[in-house]
Amino acid sequence: KAGVTQTPRYLIKTRGQQVTLSCSPISGHRSVSWYQQTPGQGLQFLFEYFSETQRNKGNFPGRFSGRQFSNSRSEMNVSTLELGDSALYLCASSLAGGTNYNEQFFGPGTRLTVL
Amino acid sequence: AQSVTQLDSQVPVFEEAPVELRCNYSSSVSVYLFWYVQYPNQGLQLLLKYLSGSTLVKGINGFEAEFNKSQTSFHLRKPSVHISDTAEYFCAVSGKAAGNKLTFGGGTRVLVKP
Repeated sequence: KAGVTQTPRYLIKTRGQQVTLSCSPISGHRSVSWYQQTPGQGLQFLFEYFSETQRNKGNFPGRFSGRQFSNSRSEMNVSTLELGDSALYLCASSLAGGTNYNEQFFGPGTRLTVL
Repeated sequence: AQSVTQLDSQVPVFEEAPVELRCNYSSSVSVYLFWYVQYPNQGLQLLLKYLSGSTLVKGINGFEAEFNKSQTSFHLRKPSVHISDTAEYFCAVSGKAAGNKLTFGGGTRVLVKP
């Protein structure tokens, strides 16, 4: 089974632009979560989508948004980029949502650099 | 709300020596606990998890961890490290009602020296 794939792997943007990152979960997985990893703030939860609905959201400004499609693929969008948005963005997929634990499998990440 | 503290940001260790990475958490609810490893330019790989039951958890690559509820700790150990264990290690917690949301510690960078 193919793992979680993220595209693109590397991206360079300038301040004020917007960016869209893509995540394809493991086949059969219906939940996708996004995390931001920076040297200063570490790994922080952005949001989770399950069956095309946002189930949970972290403490990020409204410039960060996401969506999930019917095939469970997910995209996240960052508008009006700031230098501080430079980070590794990780996507994780799991079989299901719900309140019980579901093992999450992480993709390799998209490294975004904002100049 | 949950939080995770990894007490050491960097741990240098010689090859074949033991290593312990410390993790403490705080939570107002029952938790699930995890250790992940991240190799350079890669995502996170699950090493082991504590969901319930035995407090001593064995994972992949010879790692194990012990859940100590009274000390709210979940320390990771390996009796003999290899050069290939050089990586960053993250402790994470999920509340039992929090679904898939993980709260991570700041990470511990392990450098194995020959």
